[in-house]
Amino acid sequence: GQNIDQPTEMTATEGAIVQINCTYQTSGFNGLFWYQQHAGEAPTFLSYNVLDGLEEKGRFSSFLSRSKGYSYLLLKELQMKDSASYLCAVTDSNYQLIWGAGTKLIIKP
Amino acid sequence: ETGVTQTPRHLVMGMTNKKSLKCEQHLGHNAMYWYKQSAKKPLELMFVYNFKEQTENNSVPSRFSPECPNSSHLFLHLHTLQPEDSALYLCASSQVIGSTDTQYFGPGTRLTVL
Repeated sequence: GQNIDQPTEMTATEGAIVQINCTYQTSGFNGLFWYQQHAGEAPTFLSYNVLDGLEEKGRFSSFLSRSKGYSYLLLKELQMKDSASYLCAVTDSNYQLIWGAGTKLIIKP
Repeated sequence: ETGVTQTPRHLVMGMTNKKSLKCEQHLGHNAMYWYKQSAKKPLELMFVYNFKEQTENNSVPSRFSPECPNSSHLFLHLHTLQPEDSALYLCASSQVIGSTDTQYFGPGTRLTVL
């Protein structure tokens, strides 16, 4: 079966750095997405990786290793507004999006 | 602003009621999706429409009935729901399906079935 694993919840301190991991087992791979979802709001697109390596976008970076079936989202200089759920999703060989259950990130002052 | 709107934002209904959820996208996209989001579970894809034609129905019970009159509008008609259908229902759109296009989501309808 197809599976996406990510931690259920993480806690970090304002101003610090946090890394949210995502491992996947899918039938084929055509890219990996990270979305952010604040409570009661729509998921919003953060990043897309299809090749191995690190993609940096401001305070957020996303890394992919296709051989390991692994990605992480790195958030730097954490702000209170970064408190949200972070969803990992993989596009499989049929271009279906397979979603993880999301990681709830709690930022403390 | 995501360009995808959903109404109503909250809905409480009894098991014998009939109601409809509405989604509208202002992005000029050709594909639209209905998802169910339950607490601590992955997003569940329910239906996919591409150029108004349904291309995916992921074994969704018949008490959920989608309608796509044009590429900008998507409805989800609900009847004789069960309490376990209580969840956040999200609509999304993308330029096309069968690709790696980003999906853009609406804010969702929080549904409670009593």
